Amino acid sequence: EDKVVQSPLSLVVHEGDTVTLNCSYEVTNFRSLLWYKQEKKAPTFLFMLTSSGIEKKSGRLSSILDKKELFSILNITATQTGDSAIYLCAVPFTQGGSEKLVFGKGTKLTVNP
Amino acid sequence: ETGVTQSPTHLIKTRGQQVTLRCSSQSGHNTVSWYQQALGQGPQFIFQYYREEENGRGNFPPRFSGLQFPNYSSELNVNALELDDSALYLCASSLNFRGYNEQFFGPGTRLTVL
Repeated sequence: EDKVVQSPLSLVVHEGDTVTLNCSYEVTNFRSLLWYKQEKKAPTFLFMLTSSGIEKKSGRLSSILDKKELFSILNITATQTGDSAIYLCAVPFTQGGSEKLVFGKGTKLTVNP
Repeated sequence: ETGVTQSPTHLIKTRGQQVTLRCSSQSGHNTVSWYQQALGQGPQFIFQYYREEENGRGNFPPRFSGLQFPNYSSELNVNALELDDSALYLCASSLNFRGYNEQFFGPGTRLTVL
């Protein structure tokens, strides 16, 4: 069965710290991996990764994919209280003609002032 | 904001009742997927609708059913509610389903079953 595993499940840091969130996956016919940030309700899209070794960057956030070892990391540098959220990793999976996202449980990040 | 809207925002029901949740997809999107997110879990795929037909289903019982309308909006219906149905229900719309296309999530409906 396809699965996505995130670690750690919970993380508490102080403002200014750098954090690394992990996502490993086992999915047949892998095409891409996505990261979302969920603050209150709707997950908001951060990155889509399709190629190994190519870092995607947006401000203080960056992410990279390793297709050989089947994992991705999301880095956040100089964390701010506004980064407090649940970070979700997801992999698209085709089943019987439908495209669904298989999500991990998420990492709950708390950034204290 | 993604342009995907859901109603209602919150809902409280009792065990055994039925509920209907609604989702308006982003303009131009013809595919709607529904997800259930229990507390402390990632979203789990319920089913997907493409051009008014169910296009795939996750591991949910038949009392979870849906509809998609000609304007591509969608409903999720849950019959005989159970306590474990308490969750955030998310819908996501996308342009089409062939090859992965980015799914845009709505704000969700928080369902509490007492």
